Amino acid sequence: SYVLTQPPSVSVAPGRTARITCGGNNIGDQSVHWYQLRPGQAPVLVVYDNSDRPSGIPERFSGSNSGNTAALTISRVEAGDEADYYCQVWDSNSDHWVFGGGTKLTVL
Amino acid sequence: QVQLVQSGAEVKKPGASVKVSCKASGYTFSSQYMHWVRQAPGQGLEWMGWINPRTGGTKYSQKFQGRVTMTSDTSMNTAYMDLSSLRPDDTAVYFCARLRGKGSGWTNWYFDLWGRGTLLTVSS
Repeated sequence: SYVLTQPPSVSVAPGRTARITCGGNNIGDQSVHWYQLRPGQAPVLVVYDNSDRPSGIPERFSGSNSGNTAALTISRVEAGDEADYYCQVWDSNSDHWVFGGGTKLTVL
Repeated sequence: QVQLVQSGAEVKKPGASVKVSCKASGYTFSSQYMHWVRQAPGQGLEWMGWINPRTGGTKYSQKFQGRVTMTSDTSMNTAYMDLSSLRPDDTAVYFCARLRGKGSGWTNWYFDLWGRGTLLTVSS
């Protein structure tokens, strides 16, 4: 089935920009969605359809997708952004929903 | 208030079954598919399957085919996930998630609302 590859961890200082990548074969042809997970809390959708933001999500969160890499970019990172982030697509070949392995964002 | 409220933590022995519930409120439960996703300790998210509450139709991940059953009760606005023949590696947090989106095919559909999860521990 379709495989999504994320870096296990990304570290960034407060106020800087974090970029979390999600690699997949021709992922640019897919629609990628991103979720934020904090321990003990319900996951939160932060970007859908590659670059759209749900209401309530700060403009600091943005997404892109091209070629073999999709990315979630968080500008002006805050301590509250520290969480695990997952990318997700629907694999039409298997008719399965697929998640990346997740990236732990640490705010230094 | 639009939310999904899941049942409480469970502890089961290997070989047993568990039924996790997910009660929806604040929207028309039957109008949107409900999915189940789990996260084992230290692991990533893993998709398990979905149910169409309006028709009862289901689709399961091949990994769980034969062991999982998803049902719903529209009178109670509740979805259920039944997992049988439990093993220690089924220990995980189980989430329900509402699917939302547009277009034919599922490409532009995403999980816009999640429950807080139900911790299942399988241990002898």
